Amino acid sequence: DAGVTQSPTHLIKTRGQQVTLRCSPKSGHDTVSWYQQALGQGPQFIFQYYEEEERQRGNFPDRFSGHQFPNYSSELNVNALLLGDSALYLCATLLRVKGGYTFGSGTRLTVV
Amino acid sequence: GDSVTQMEGPVTLSEEAFLTINCTYTATGYPSLFWYVQYPGEGLQLLLKATKADDKGSNKGFEATYRKETTSFHLEKGSVQVSDSAVYFCALTVYSSASKIIFGSGTRLSIRP
Repeated sequence: DAGVTQSPTHLIKTRGQQVTLRCSPKSGHDTVSWYQQALGQGPQFIFQYYEEEERQRGNFPDRFSGHQFPNYSSELNVNALLLGDSALYLCATLLRVKGGYTFGSGTRLTVV
Repeated sequence: GDSVTQMEGPVTLSEEAFLTINCTYTATGYPSLFWYVQYPGEGLQLLLKATKADDKGSNKGFEATYRKETTSFHLEKGSVQVSDSAVYFCALTVYSSASKIIFGSGTRLSIRP
C-alpha cells in the first residue's frame, strides 16, 4: 500500500518562473493539504482540498493556487516565483471522516 | 490566534540520557495535540498524540501528557538512542481532525554515542 507520493523530489527554478508540484494521496484518502517548510522552520499551512474544492486557506498570497482531481490527487502551483519561495513543500492526506494525516516526503524547491 | 511554542534547539545529549523537549500552546476551543518527528531527508511522521486534557500519548518510549492547566505538552523519553536523532515538532489542530495543523518551529535533537 503506497503512502503519499510527491513529485518531483527536487526542483530548481528561476525568479519569476512558475512551478507545479504534484501529490498522489495514500490509498483511500480523499483530502489533501499542502504545507510550506522553510529551512529551520516548522511547516506552514497553505491550503486544503476536498471534493475538488479549496476548503481552508492559510496566509499565503494568490500566487499560490491548487487543484484536486477526481482521483483525489492534487497539484500546487506557484506563479511569479520569489527567492523566498525556496522551501520544502509537503503534502499531507487523510480520509476526512476518520482523520489522521499521512505526510509525503516533500518536494525541495530552490529559486535562484 | 492559535499557536505553538517549543524549546529551541539544537539539543545534544549522550546516549541513554533523559530527554525533555518543552512545548506550550495557545488555542481557542479544545485542541488535539501532537508530536511529529522528521528524520533527515524525509517527511513528517506522527510520533504520538493526545486529544483531551490529562490524556497521555506514548510511542517508541516517548511520552507526552496533555496539561490543560499549564497549556503544555512536553515530550519525554527516559533513555535516548542515537537513532532518535531528528527534528521534533509539537503541533495542534482545533475543531476537527481534518483541520489544518499548526506546528511549532521544531527542535533538533542530536544524540552522541
